[in-house]
Amino acid sequence: NAGVTQTPKFQVLKTGQSMTLQCAQDMNHEYMSWYRQDPGMGLRLIHYSVGAGITDQGEVPNGYNVSRSTTEDFPLRLLSAAPSQTSVYFCASRAPGQDTEAFFGQGTRLTVV
Amino acid sequence: QQPVQSPQAVILREGEDAVINCSSSKALYSVHWYRQKHGEAPVFLMILLKGGEQKGHDKISASFNEKKQQSSLYLTASQLSYSGTYFCGTESTSYGKLTFGQGTILTVHP
Repeated sequence: NAGVTQTPKFQVLKTGQSMTLQCAQDMNHEYMSWYRQDPGMGLRLIHYSVGAGITDQGEVPNGYNVSRSTTEDFPLRLLSAAPSQTSVYFCASRAPGQDTEAFFGQGTRLTVV
Repeated sequence: QQPVQSPQAVILREGEDAVINCSSSKALYSVHWYRQKHGEAPVFLMILLKGGEQKGHDKISASFNEKKQQSSLYLTASQLSYSGTYFCGTESTSYGKLTFGQGTILTVHP
């Protein structure tokens, strides 16, 4: 099993450009989440989903859109990139329930210039 | 709202012990602990559930005080491999919403 796969691993964008960070998991997990990691800020939740067709905002949703059309995929869209969105982005998935561990992808390092 | 971790950083010598604390202003159903090595993804350590017992494996254990909405991670007889950033994650009333603290950087020296 591949687990959680994020693409791309690295990306440089110009201010105002749009792009989609891809996240796919092959564990049939209902729960999926996107986090951004900045120095000293820890992992901050952007958006999360508890199943296909169901998404909700996390702590820092502004500037990001998500959709969940299948159980396997949870893409994160930046409509108009800003330098403040320079960060490392992690996607995570886990099975339903409160006693299930989260599996993380390897991250996408995004730089907006 | 993110849970609050303390301390922000810890420096140890091999064999010393450490405690990392995590507190939340919300009623919690579960607390997760993860460790992240530099340049890598976070990796699961353990989960503590409301009403559950203290957990542990090897020399790493954790407790969960439901009344105070606090959890502590205990690392005993630290090893070089324990170095990394430790995150607590909390889940309250919103299922599927796992929120992490700002992390505690643990450095173990020979």
